[in-house]
Amino acid sequence: AQKVTQAQTEISVVEKEDVTLDCVYETRDTTYYLFWYKQPPSGELVFLIRRNSFDEQNEISGRYSWNFQKSTSSFNFTITASQVVDSAVYFCARTRQLTFGSGTQLTVLP
Amino acid sequence: GAVVSQHPSRVICKSGTSVKIECRSLDFQATTMFWYRQFPKQSLMLMATSNEGSKATYEQGVEKDKFLINHASLTLSTLTVTSAHPEDSSFYICSAPRLAGVSNEQFFGPGTRLTVL
Repeated sequence: AQKVTQAQTEISVVEKEDVTLDCVYETRDTTYYLFWYKQPPSGELVFLIRRNSFDEQNEISGRYSWNFQKSTSSFNFTITASQVVDSAVYFCARTRQLTFGSGTQLTVLP
Repeated sequence: GAVVSQHPSRVICKSGTSVKIECRSLDFQATTMFWYRQFPKQSLMLMATSNEGSKATYEQGVEKDKFLINHASLTLSTLTVTSAHPEDSSFYICSAPRLAGVSNEQFFGPGTRLTVL
């Protein structure tokens, strides 16, 4: 099976620290999409970003940024100046069938 | 943006009963919908693909006689957990791609938390 690996099971940081969540994926497809989702305690998945495999430009959205490195099959997610509200489980995923990583529980302490 | 709803959001039932979960696409038609199951502190695992007008496709290891899927219309798919047991307690999430056959833009429902006593 082509996996999505999130090696960090849990991360704990203090508010205002920067934190990077790692994601490494396997695929035999030449065209695919990569995603990050946030799942707060309520359970509802919150879409954060979708990235086409042909677009390796890094993206920044407010305090969030993503680093896509096709050569290493990685799609890492950085939150700068973390806030308590960022505490959640974060999932990385890829197509074609949407396959999720195991998730990283991020806890931001005040 | 597109909205997918699920009903109920939470259900508690006795062992041996059947539970139906509805997934609706509210502002677009979905010929395909996906059902996921998430156990506590685990990832989402695809259970089955619901296809309007044809049989659902189940992932390996998912019992199709236990998890009945009916894609009744272009906006509604239902998952029925038959003869539920405590080990079926889980968070069930559906999703629907806005465009048929294109899984790169999926919209997720808010999930249904099933507890079987």
